[in-house]
Amino acid sequence: GAVVSQHPSRVICKSGTSVKIECRSLDFQATTMFWYRQFPKKSLMLMATSNEGSKATYEQGVEKDKFLINHASLTLSTLTVTSAHPEDSSFYICSAIIPVGEQFFGPGTRLTVL
Amino acid sequence: DAKTTQPTSMDCAEGRAANLPCNHSTISGNEYVYWYRQIHSQGPQYIIHGLKNNETNEMASLIITEDRKSSTLILPHATLRDTAVYYCIALLQGNQGGKLIFGQGTELSVKP
Repeated sequence: GAVVSQHPSRVICKSGTSVKIECRSLDFQATTMFWYRQFPKKSLMLMATSNEGSKATYEQGVEKDKFLINHASLTLSTLTVTSAHPEDSSFYICSAIIPVGEQFFGPGTRLTVL
Repeated sequence: DAKTTQPTSMDCAEGRAANLPCNHSTISGNEYVYWYRQIHSQGPQYIIHGLKNNETNEMASLIITEDRKSSTLILPHATLRDTAVYYCIALLQGNQGGKLIFGQGTELSVKP
């Protein structure tokens, strides 16, 4: 299947700092990528839909000014957690759609905010 | 998209078939049934999907009832590496690869 990578795989930061997470489609172009977050022992929760060349679409209750999404190319979407707080500590996962419509997920990024 | 319900957890002996049920009684005629799984601390992995016919691939088989109100994912010879949370998702045709709404899934434990 298609390969989606995320960087970094884990990050620890201080409260108040910003953290950028990258999501790349390695062997295909993805016009649409999705960002999810997952708390321990919980299911994945969709945060936003990232469309190349346009603004992201955020799910209800997700602060767009706190979770900045940029999809500048067909192979890269970035999620920036601004002014991170301990409650933002979570597992962040991206996914990308291949042209025929199947969706593949990245390995996830573990964010810990101290 | 239709809501799906799955048992919270299941156990299976290594080498035996694992049969994971999913109810989707409100599924509409053009909604597909997708299955993903998530091994601990990894991203979800696509397994299989189907509309109304039974499907089989190298990972699993998907059996969908004639009325499409339920389905069963079958792992024919479960191994310890199949221990994961399995998610059953109903997804509208034309929205393939669209927003996946994950429920709580079934936590499958394969035991030696």
